[in-house]
Amino acid sequence: SAVISQKPSRDICQRGTSLTIQCQVDSQVTMMFWYRQQPGQSLTLIATANQGSEATYESGFVIDKFPISRPNLTFSTLTVSNMSPEDSSIYLCSVEGGTSGSYETQYFGPGTRLLVL
Amino acid sequence: AQKITQTQPGMFVQEKEAVTLDCTYDTSDQSYGLFWYKQPSSGEMIFLIYQGSYDEQNATEGRYSLNFQKARKSANLVISASQLGDSAMYFCAMREGEDDKIIFGKGTRLHILP
Repeated sequence: SAVISQKPSRDICQRGTSLTIQCQVDSQVTMMFWYRQQPGQSLTLIATANQGSEATYESGFVIDKFPISRPNLTFSTLTVSNMSPEDSSIYLCSVEGGTSGSYETQYFGPGTRLLVL
Repeated sequence: AQKITQTQPGMFVQEKEAVTLDCTYDTSDQSYGLFWYKQPSSGEMIFLIYQGSYDEQNATEGRYSLNFQKARKSANLVISASQLGDSAMYFCAMREGEDDKIIFGKGTRLHILP
């Protein structure tokens, strides 16, 4: 499976500011996924990022709030813009790596814990 | 309707006992994949085991096995000989049809007691 790193691992931010989260993979991957996990909740997909094209956002998530870059096949960033306390979550990136039967398994980075005050 | 249902928000199990974590799913696709992930308090998501809809045998990975009952749309995770390090959140998840995304259940928090 791919080795995925994220920066920062955690941060405390003031409301109204923005934070950019980086995701680095040790191998080239076609698709990268960004998830949010609010406190005590399950994971929710924010968007899917393919290299060379605009990210595809899930219902309830918009590009102005969560702009994503995907400059190459090993790197992506997610920005959380104009933050409010409701944005306090763990943000995880994931990639597909290794086929399990008919479907690719998604592997996750260590996550970024964000607290907005 | 929820695609993935995990009915046990929390469980307490004595160390060395076997554990069964329940998961039911809802899909009209014939082709789908089912996954289990473990999330320790550190927050990382660790892939445990996969079961394909066309797989006739239950998947096994070390101490983990998946009790797949297709007619009941059930994919329970069984952990044999539980260890203290198994204490974590466990998520059941599904990919269906041609969709790239994984849908997660709400999770079960497992506590292993010494």
